[in-house]
Amino acid sequence: AQSVTQLDSQVPVFEEAPVELRCNYSSSVSVYLFWYVQYPNQGLQLLLKYLSGSTLVKGINGFEAEFNKSQTSFHLRKPSVHISDTAEYFCAVSGGYGGATNKLIFGTGTLLAVQP
Amino acid sequence: EAQVTQNPRYLITVTGKKLTVTCSQNMNHEYMSWYRQDPGLGLRQIYYSMNVEVTDKGDVPEGYKVSRKEKRNFPLILESPSPNQTSLYFCASSLYPTSGTYEQYFGPGTRLTVT
Repeated sequence: AQSVTQLDSQVPVFEEAPVELRCNYSSSVSVYLFWYVQYPNQGLQLLLKYLSGSTLVKGINGFEAEFNKSQTSFHLRKPSVHISDTAEYFCAVSGGYGGATNKLIFGTGTLLAVQP
Repeated sequence: EAQVTQNPRYLITVTGKKLTVTCSQNMNHEYMSWYRQDPGLGLRQIYYSMNVEVTDKGDVPEGYKVSRKEKRNFPLILESPSPNQTSLYFCASSLYPTSGTYEQYFGPGTRLTVT
């Protein structure tokens, strides 16, 4: 069975500092990987996705993530965060079922708290 | 504007009183799904639908029903709500999985409290 681990439940960081949110997955088959962001009182918005090809994926709002198959990781990074990046970030995995259910398996989320 | 809408956004109800949360999408998506979000657990899939009249259970289907009579709508039904169904619910939609995009679009969420 597939699973996603986000070890950090909360990451405090000062404005303009770099940040990395960690995500590890387990799967015996090929997967598709996603990062979603949830701003307070809102739904989930796709930040970026890895389906195939280049392992470095660029998303919206200056975020990027690197797919590392050997380490089964898909860490999210941003070189300089803003107050407006304060939100909860979810890593998710999909695919590889053969039956193509499109189900997303989510991690437990990481709250990015940007401080002035 | 392409979107997934849910109603109501907030709902407080009592144990055992049947309720329905509606979900509608205007993107002509084949695939629709319901998730619940609980602190420390992330989002878990309740039910999904691959197309009209085709639905199947997700990871946590107990206590829920769904129907897909029209492509755009995918209501979530709680026949006899219980306090453990207090949660934040999200509806999502996407193109058919084999389209290759796999991106799911989420609604704004429905916060349900069962007392």
